[in-house]
Amino acid sequence: EPEVTQTPSHQVTQMGQEVILRCVPISNHLYFYWYRQILGQKVEFLVSFYNNEISEKSEIFDDQFSVERPDGSNFTLKIRSTKLEDSAMYFCASSYHRDYSYNEQFFGPGTRLTVL
Amino acid sequence: EDKVVQSPLSLVVHEGDTVTLNCSYEVTNFRSLLWYKQEKKAPTFLFMLTSSGIEKKSGRLSSILDKKELFSILNITATQTGDSAIYLCAVDFFGNEKLTFGTGTRLTIIP
Repeated sequence: EPEVTQTPSHQVTQMGQEVILRCVPISNHLYFYWYRQILGQKVEFLVSFYNNEISEKSEIFDDQFSVERPDGSNFTLKIRSTKLEDSAMYFCASSYHRDYSYNEQFFGPGTRLTVL
Repeated sequence: EDKVVQSPLSLVVHEGDTVTLNCSYEVTNFRSLLWYKQEKKAPTFLFMLTSSGIEKKSGRLSSILDKKELFSILNITATQTGDSAIYLCAVDFFGNEKLTFGTGTRLTIIP
């Protein structure tokens, strides 16, 4: 069964460093998302991406964050200068279709980011 | 502000018991409600309920949506230790692409 994959599974970085989290969405999906989950807290939406551009973003997704689809398969989240509070599990998700009825999103296994 | 509230926050039952997990929501332009199971890492999709599909069943799991009272329940019958997980409820609404999640219910099944 097709699934969303993410690499790395765990990333440790120093505060102020740049990190890139990678995702390969399900191949025929058109919409891509990043969420994060700080330990013990809710899953929070960061950004959605469609047709090679950001379609929606949350307040969390400030200028330190960027997303890119560099080729036909990868979808990346870059954090330019990491802060301690960026430590979280980052989930990538994708969905095939988003019409007026549904938005069924499938999640990857996550990347645990630890900022020291 | 859109809100999704799940209860209870945690639940411990014995294997074989039946459990009911609750999710209530306050969102404008509701489109669908989704249930996910989160074990070690990724939320795994279970059900999506919409105005045209307010009841879903898969094996021992079933879910209903009450659009009038703005809540959903997830039932698990004859629970097994493999059902131990955090169950997440998320709501999707028109005019937005994000899913708004509740805090989850941590379910523990004791053998």
